[in-house]
Amino acid sequence: GAVVSQHPSWVICKSGTSVKIECRSLDFQATTMFWYRQFPKQSLMLMATSNEGSKATYEQGVEKDKFLINHASLTLSTLTVTSAHPEDSSFYICSARPGLAGEQYFGPGTRLTVT
Amino acid sequence: LAKTTQPISMDSYEGQEVNITCSHNNIATNDYITWYQQFPSQGPRFIIQGYKTKVTNEVASLFIPADRKSSTLSLPRVSLSDTAVYYCLVGFPMDSSYKLIFGSGTRLLVRP
Repeated sequence: GAVVSQHPSWVICKSGTSVKIECRSLDFQATTMFWYRQFPKQSLMLMATSNEGSKATYEQGVEKDKFLINHASLTLSTLTVTSAHPEDSSFYICSARPGLAGEQYFGPGTRLTVT
Repeated sequence: LAKTTQPISMDSYEGQEVNITCSHNNIATNDYITWYQQFPSQGPRFIIQGYKTKVTNEVASLFIPADRKSSTLSLPRVSLSDTAVYYCLVGFPMDSSYKLIFGSGTRLLVRP
């Protein structure tokens, strides 16, 4: 139980284009979903927290107009990287939590490469 | 200041016990401490979670002293497949709520 999937697992896009990454909780309803970014040999950095049906809360330094998060249902959240640039190349990981507190279940991650 | 400290790397040999400590001086009083394992290009995998004293499951033990300013993940009899990066995840009080912050990670290398 408690499986979180991400799609795609990897994506290559050209600079200036937008990319959408999906995060799904497969066997539970996720009240809260988190989006993380991880650069090579670094820890996971929280980008934003989203609760179903409400606007995401972004961490300091994360541009909300560049990283659009939609948490339209209790099983799906999407992260759209708009006008991607090479510096946005990273490993993006989502996690989902059934309630407002407690354990997070992580997805397998999406490797984004912007050329 | 919300900060966790972990050793950058550790080396071990198969069959040995490995202890990885995470320091978290300003931990939120009502939050759990969670440890994750991460392999390259994969999402973190839950290992163990605790609030205080000692917790044990089939893969690890977690020791948390009474002041909760640190926690130690103990991996008994490691194998080559335990080579990975290990992170602690800790909650810190922020404004009127709290924020979960990953430690910097400890890169464990298990040698034959």
